[in-house]
Amino acid sequence: GENVEQHPSTLSVQEGDSAVIKCTYSDSASNYFPWYKQELGKRPQLIIDIRSNVGEKKDQRIAVTLNKTAKHFSLHITETQPEDSAVYFCAASTGWSSGDKLTFGTGTRLAVRP
Amino acid sequence: EAGVAQSPRYKIIEKRQSVAFWCNPISGHATLYWYQQILGQGPKLLIQFQNNGVVDDSQLPKDRFSAERLKGVDSTLKIQPAKLEDSAVYLCASSLIFGLLSYNEQFFGPGTRLTVL
Repeated sequence: GENVEQHPSTLSVQEGDSAVIKCTYSDSASNYFPWYKQELGKRPQLIIDIRSNVGEKKDQRIAVTLNKTAKHFSLHITETQPEDSAVYFCAASTGWSSGDKLTFGTGTRLAVRP
Repeated sequence: EAGVAQSPRYKIIEKRQSVAFWCNPISGHATLYWYQQILGQGPKLLIQFQNNGVVDDSQLPKDRFSAERLKGVDSTLKIQPAKLEDSAVYLCASSLIFGLLSYNEQFFGPGTRLTVL
C-alpha cells in the first residue's frame, strides 16, 4: 500500500520568513495530494491540494509543488505569521480506484516566532 | 453549512471496557470515514462507508473494533474490549461521494479523544 513520509517533524521560523515542508510517496498511481492544517485540539482542515496533472499551485501565501518523477511534493509558506503555527499533514490518494482513500504523513509541527 | 458532528468529545475508560463513538456527517455526504490519530502521528483510516456499504475496512482491527452506518447517514464506531494502545483521537470525516469525475474534499469532525487507563 501507499506510504507517505514527511519532513521535518518540527520546524521553527521567525515571523516573516518562509517555511518548507516536504513529503515523499511510494505509490506511483497516486494522483491527488492535499495538505491539511491542524491547530491544537482542532480538526484537520484542508488548506491546499494539487492533482498529478499540475506541477505547482499557489493560493496567496501558500504554494504546493509536485515532482511526479521523484514522487515528492512540498508545501511552501511565505511571509509566515504567528497564526500559521500548527501541525501540517500531507496526504496522498490514488483517487476513485481506492475510494478516495487518503494516506497521511506523520505531520510537521510549525512554530512561528513573533 | 453545518459541519461533521461527533460525540462524545472526550472519553476515559479502563482497559477491557467498551466504548462507542457517534458521527453525523454533513448533510448529503454519501461517503463517511473513520480515522484513528495516535498522538504525534497522522490520521490512519480505519473504515470507509459509501452510503451504508463498507468500501474499505482493511485496517480495522476486527477482533475488537466494529462500525456501522445504518440508513446511510449517522455512524457509530465501537471498541470492545479496549486496550491501552487504543488511546487516540478518533476522527470522522465525510465527503460528497467518491467516483470517476473528481476527487471530493474530506471534511473532518472535531474528533473524540479516547484515553484508556
